[in-house]
Amino acid sequence: NAGVTQTPKFQVLKTGQSMTLQCAQDMNHEYMSWYRQDPGMGLRLIHYSVGAGITDQGEVPNGYNVSRSTTEDFPLRLLSAAPSQTSVYFCASNRDRVGPGGGYTFGSGTRLTVV
Amino acid sequence: AQSVSQHNHHVILSEAASLELGCNYSYGGTVNLFWYVQYPGQHLQLLLKYFSGDPLVKGIKGFEAEFIKSKFSFNLRKPSVQWSDTAEYFCAVNPKAAGNKLTFGGGTRVLVKP
Repeated sequence: NAGVTQTPKFQVLKTGQSMTLQCAQDMNHEYMSWYRQDPGMGLRLIHYSVGAGITDQGEVPNGYNVSRSTTEDFPLRLLSAAPSQTSVYFCASNRDRVGPGGGYTFGSGTRLTVV
Repeated sequence: AQSVSQHNHHVILSEAASLELGCNYSYGGTVNLFWYVQYPGQHLQLLLKYFSGDPLVKGIKGFEAEFIKSKFSFNLRKPSVQWSDTAEYFCAVNPKAAGNKLTFGGGTRVLVKP
């Protein structure tokens, strides 16, 4: 049981490049979400999904796209990378669609640097 | 908009000292409350949670937290810290009306000196 798997662990992009951060969970969790972590600001919600085919915006969605074609996968796409998107990105899942239940399960994070 | 405040950004302690980290939130309705810990280089892990019932909640590794509804607070405590408690601690709030969404505080970095 791998939990939540994020790839890559580290990435350096040039301004204007695009890329996709991968997130996969093998727990059959309904709810998946993406957060970014910046010093002193905690974690801020980018996008979330309550099930396959359903996504919605969080607190800081600009510059990011998501899709949820399967229960297992929830990729995050950076359309045109900017230095302000330098951050650590965490994917998190939860078994329940409408409430946090036992709490989130987090992936190990992707450290992204945009130069 | 709702917010979660952790007033201490950095705390430095010696081993065996007591730890208390403050967390206040601004949401007025019914909430679920969480404390997460992030050890250096690792992902967030759940320390404890409060949904309802006894406002004093015990979690893993000797941590506990007290929910004081009148003060909109959910402070984390540990009577005697160890060097291995060096980590960043995050308070998170889930308003029950907000479905699954968690709002995190800014985090408190705790350094325990051996």
